[in-house]
Amino acid sequence: QVQLQQWGAGLLKPSETLSLACEVFGGSFTAYYWSWIRQPPGKGLEWIGEISPTGSTNYNPSLKGRVTISIDISRNHFSLNLTSVTAADTAVYYCAKGRSRPDPWSQGTLVTVSS
Amino acid sequence: QSVLTQPPSVSAAPGQKVTVSCSGTYYNIVNNYVSWYQQFPGTAPKLLIYDNNKRPSGIPDRFSGSKSGTSATLGITGLQTGDEADYYCSTWDSSLNVVVFGGGTQLTVL
Repeated sequence: QVQLQQWGAGLLKPSETLSLACEVFGGSFTAYYWSWIRQPPGKGLEWIGEISPTGSTNYNPSLKGRVTISIDISRNHFSLNLTSVTAADTAVYYCAKGRSRPDPWSQGTLVTVSS
Repeated sequence: QSVLTQPPSVSAAPGQKVTVSCSGTYYNIVNNYVSWYQQFPGTAPKLLIYDNNKRPSGIPDRFSGSKSGTSATLGITGLQTGDEADYYCSTWDSSLNVVVFGGGTQLTVL
């Protein structure tokens, strides 16, 4: 049974870089793609991007080159960096296993961008 | 505005059946598998249906999924108050090369 636990800073100022990490427990880390998804308060879900076990990535074009997802096979974890954040990036950020049907998801981290 | 269109809310009485629609296009729903997620306030979404109509282990058969053309539907029978949640459809979009979600549907069990 795969479980995901994420961590990272929850309060950022505009123009700073959001950095979150997600560690995977159980299952085969190298057998799956891994994804990041976010949800602004009171709104719907937005897919951020994915990474394969070999490091191949695919990002949502709406994030306009600000996003980087990386993977560390040796530590069973993958990370999200989002640069130049604004208030519009305020959301609960989730990491998840899989690509087109992410499951399971982490508990989520609320990241607030405020001056 | 979401790529997939869902009604903002649906409601039905306990014990009744409800359906949630998800409308898309050739590039997403027609050519790719659809998934459905259930989300309770303050918690992460949970996979209810995948590959249009399959249920993960542990999901009761009260939940069903179907797809026809550019639309997909989530059905819930024998409604319980514990089913009150937000429901999201999701699929891959071959034109945008992203996973897309519906805007979500809030289910109220009256």
